[in-house]
Amino acid sequence: AQSVTQLDSQVPVFEEAPVELRCNYSSSVSVYLFWYVQYPNQGLQLLLKYLSGSTLVKGINGFEAEFNKSQTSFHLRKPSVHISDTAEYFCAAGRLDSSYKLIFGSGTRLLVRP
Amino acid sequence: DSGVTQTPKHLITATGQRVTLRCSPRSGDLSVYWYQQSLDQGLQFLIQYYNGEERAKGNILERFSAQQFPDLHSELNLSSLELGDSALYFCASSVEEWGTDTQYFGPGTRLTVL
Repeated sequence: AQSVTQLDSQVPVFEEAPVELRCNYSSSVSVYLFWYVQYPNQGLQLLLKYLSGSTLVKGINGFEAEFNKSQTSFHLRKPSVHISDTAEYFCAAGRLDSSYKLIFGSGTRLLVRP
Repeated sequence: DSGVTQTPKHLITATGQRVTLRCSPRSGDLSVYWYQQSLDQGLQFLIQYYNGEERAKGNILERFSAQQFPDLHSELNLSSLELGDSALYFCASSVEEWGTDTQYFGPGTRLTVL
């Protein structure tokens, strides 16, 4: 069965520091991957997605993620975070063979401190 | 603003009752997805409709049902409500039926079962 693991439930960082939010997936078939962000009291918003091609994907708000097939990972990075990046971040994966649905990770709360 | 609207924003009801949550997708989107977000279960995919037809089913209880109408709006019906059904229910929409398509999330309906 397909699964998505976000090992860190909360990541505290200082403003202007770099951050990496980890995501690992398990699947026996090719996958596509998403990162979504949820600001307080709002719905989810797409940050970036990987379908195929270049393994380095750039998204909105200065975020990027790298697809690593050998390590089955899709970690999200930002070189310098802002207070406004404080939010919950969700990694999601879907199977390219037939499934329509996305499997979401449990989420990582990024807490940016001044 | 994603363009997806959900009503009501908040709903408080008692155990055993039945409620209906409503979702209007973005203009031009044919797919509607329903998700449940709770503290213990995280973000769970419930069901997807595409142009009026059911496309995929996730962890949706038999007490729950959904439909998509000819004008493409969707309703999620929850019956025989239990305390554990208290959660945030999100609707999302996309243009196509495939999981690779970006999903746009509504602001959610917060259901509280007392």
